[in-house]
Formats: sequence, C-alpha cells, structure tokens
Amino acid sequence: QSALTQPPSASGSPGQSVTISCTGTSSDVGGYNYVSWYQQHPGKAPKLMIYEVSKRPSGVPDRFSGSKSGNTASLTVSGLQAEDEADYYCSSYAGSNNFGVFGTGTKVTVL
Amino acid sequence: EVQLVESGGGLIQPGGSLRLSCAASGFTVSSNYMSWVRQAPGKGLEWVSVIYSGGSTYYADSVKGRFTISRDNSKNTLYLQMNSLRAEDTAVYYCARYRVRGVITVHYYGMDVWGQGTTVTVSS
Repeated sequence: QSALTQPPSASGSPGQSVTISCTGTSSDVGGYNYVSWYQQHPGKAPKLMIYEVSKRPSGVPDRFSGSKSGNTASLTVSGLQAEDEADYYCSSYAGSNNFGVFGTGTKVTVL
Repeated sequence: EVQLVESGGGLIQPGGSLRLSCAASGFTVSSNYMSWVRQAPGKGLEWVSVIYSGGSTYYADSVKGRFTISRDNSKNTLYLQMNSLRAEDTAVYYCARYRVRGVITVHYYGMDVWGQGTTVTVSS
C-alpha cells in the first residue's frame, strides 16, 4: 500500500496557474477513473475539490480542474488566489484492500 | 445540515486501547460508505479503514488486526476501536463519508463530508 507520488511544493503568483501531478501505478491511478483531490488549510479538515478525475462538487470554483493520463493525474488551479494557498492531496480508489490511497501531498504557495 | 463530529481522542500509553466515535447528522451512516483517515503530526493523509453500506470492512495494512471499524445504526454513529496502540499511531483521526453511486456497478466519488478530527497521542 504505497502512497501516490506528488511534488512537495508548487507556487505561482496571483492570477497565474499551477499544476500538481500525482503519479501512481496501473493498480490505482491508471486502473480506475476514480481520482479525487483534496484541499487542506492548516489545522482544518480536508475538503473535496475534484472527484472522478475531473468533476467538481457543487460550490468548488471552476478555477480548479483535473485530468489524467496513464498512471498520472493532475490538478490545475487557474487564476491563483491567496485563499488557494494550502496543501493538496490526490487520492485514488485502488480496490477494497487499498480503498483510498492518498498522495504524499503538495504545498501550494501563492507568491 | 450534513455534519460529522468525532470524539474519544486523548493521551494513551503504548499497548493501550481507545475507541473513537463519529456522530453523523443530516444523513444516515448505514446507507453510506464511511471511512477513517489519519494524519500524523506534520505528515500527509493516510487512509485507515472503510465500512461499506452492506457492512463489509477493510483496513490499511498498518492497522490490520489491531483496529476495528463499526457502526451503531440506532445512534447513527461510526466507531473505530483501536487496540495495541503504538507511538506511530499518534495522529489526528478524521471520519469521512465516502460518496459512491450505484450497486452493481459502483462509482467512487470520494470523501465529501469530513469531521473536524480528534487527536490521539500514544506516549508513555
């Protein structure tokens, strides 16, 4: 049950875009279209931002978008805003015994 | 309002036991997949366990044989019984609703409702 691989950090100026990668294997990211992304501010619970690779829950701004190619999923935040500064985690369904494997997490800094 | 509220965390000695509770409001625990996720201090998220609406349970290798997930339908509450606790179990524990759709073909939408977390510290 290995964690998915994310870059430790990413940054961008207000208004710019930042893209975070999430690399797994054919047993998780590559094997299912069930990648989700979570935003976590310090001291707070995670918040679902993207599900099923590219779908946004109600209330999530359309500045957040997701995609997948092979074993790698990506989250793009366009038009960066100060409130987007947070930790972001990807997750993939990987079968019942590795139900919600998470990524290593990426800290996004708005410069 | 859809809400999850955890309780039961605290300081416990290595080898001890603790039971976490997660009270739900605004939806029915037994009709949903429910999960526990933990976060060690300064670390990332780690999936711990899930209970399906049908009652099947699954665990991360790191807790298998020591932790037990369960629910009380009459109280609309999820539990995590933690035995043989180790220092590496120290973390904030979150309960979360894992939204799925379908029965024959299940679509996994992710964890859409989270509690505020309860802190477990395993130390002598």
